[in-house]
Amino acid sequence: GAGVSQSPSNKVTEKGKDVELRCDPISGHTALYWYRQRLGQGLEFLIYFQGNSAPDKSGLPSDRFSAERTGESVSTLTIQRTQQEDSAVYLCASSLKWNEKLFFGSGTQLSVL
Amino acid sequence: QKEVEQNSGPLSVPEGAIASLNCTYSDRVSQSFFWYRQYSGKSPELIMSIYSNGDKEDGRFTAQLNKASQYVSLLIRDSQPSDSATYLCAVSIYNQGGKLIFGQGTELSVKP
Repeated sequence: GAGVSQSPSNKVTEKGKDVELRCDPISGHTALYWYRQRLGQGLEFLIYFQGNSAPDKSGLPSDRFSAERTGESVSTLTIQRTQQEDSAVYLCASSLKWNEKLFFGSGTQLSVL
Repeated sequence: QKEVEQNSGPLSVPEGAIASLNCTYSDRVSQSFFWYRQYSGKSPELIMSIYSNGDKEDGRFTAQLNKASQYVSLLIRDSQPSDSATYLCAVSIYNQGGKLIFGQGTELSVKP
């Protein structure tokens, strides 16, 4: 595609439900990042993929969070048993290879009621 | 100590002035440094990247890197109201698989 695509753009869920967020990177981009941005805050690193493997998962806030990437393309971020503190914008970004310019998607606004 | 630190601001400058944005980082083996701009409600977009000590200029923007002092800055000359945004410093942590860590961002307001 022309850019990084994220879906859904908005997600409202009830506390305790599971949610799955999707990211389609730019075709051919080997590196893919997930960040969380709470209102008025900076970008919090969650996880980074190089190809289909994740060299660094240290940013995942708890074991309720998981992510995978398949085919060096689509990635999904899953949050189990959502809590109100999970409410934030989840941003996905990709780059041709690590250490290069990131292209960001429009984000998924997650609201946990 | 946070890995990447910025003053949150807001930094207010008059139109036409030079805006100076600063960032410090903690990891001495960091290799790559980036400045992103984020308008309210939008996703970040890259302004500048810098990899070597010294200055790098691109139009009205100049990035400055001093690895010995673990300091990177962004200067915006002839600031315009359209430059009003949050500016995010990002540092690639080489010895942690290359993850890119962002600072909290500095909010810049350019007054007409």
